[in-house]
Amino acid sequence: SQQGEEDPQALSIQEGENATMNCSYKTSINNLQWYRQNSGRGLVHLILIRSNEREKHSGRLRVTLDTSKKSSSLLITASRAADTASYFCATDVLSGGGADGLTFGKGTHLIIQP
Amino acid sequence: EAQVTQNPRYLITVTGKKLTVTCSQNMNHEYMSWYRQDPGLGLRQIYYSMNVEVTDKGDVPEGYKVSRKEKRNFPLILESPSPNQTSLYFCASSSLQGPYEQYFGPGTRLTVT
Repeated sequence: SQQGEEDPQALSIQEGENATMNCSYKTSINNLQWYRQNSGRGLVHLILIRSNEREKHSGRLRVTLDTSKKSSSLLITASRAADTASYFCATDVLSGGGADGLTFGKGTHLIIQP
Repeated sequence: EAQVTQNPRYLITVTGKKLTVTCSQNMNHEYMSWYRQDPGLGLRQIYYSMNVEVTDKGDVPEGYKVSRKEKRNFPLILESPSPNQTSLYFCASSSLQGPYEQYFGPGTRLTVT
């Protein structure tokens, strides 16, 4: 069953603008991860935020986590054409720890217009 | 270079002809997993393995088999492929010691006619 759900499904912005994607999930988690996928290729891990963390930064990426609302957001600042990709959130549910694996959402398709 | 490899990358086959997609990782990861990706459905887990000789069903295991005889390899077996198994398949691995980020292979695009 789908644990995470990204919103919006698709987003198109101008190069240089910020892009924000949201993820909502249903059950308690150990951590939440964001991945990027360029068309037809394997997913690449971007950032992991643990359930006891509220915000994390990595370069132009900023992730927030609100466990009371069961939601997370991914902000990409100063977007570039190379950021065009699909972005997935993945949750590592509390009962399974790191062993049962991740449950992925359906993704947000981000298009950066030059 | 740390990586997950899959072979073949592309495969067109006919209904009922057994096939195997290989997956290998060189990071000494305990955990390996297979996903399929279909338009509108996202990634769905087929099978996963926490270590050698330990495998478990994911969300969509029907029609698939796996084995984990060695730590580095986790082949996906389709004994009798059907057209509804046409999909993009990804293998992934991660350490169980944390952090639990998964490393993905490049994908195998399978078409069953």
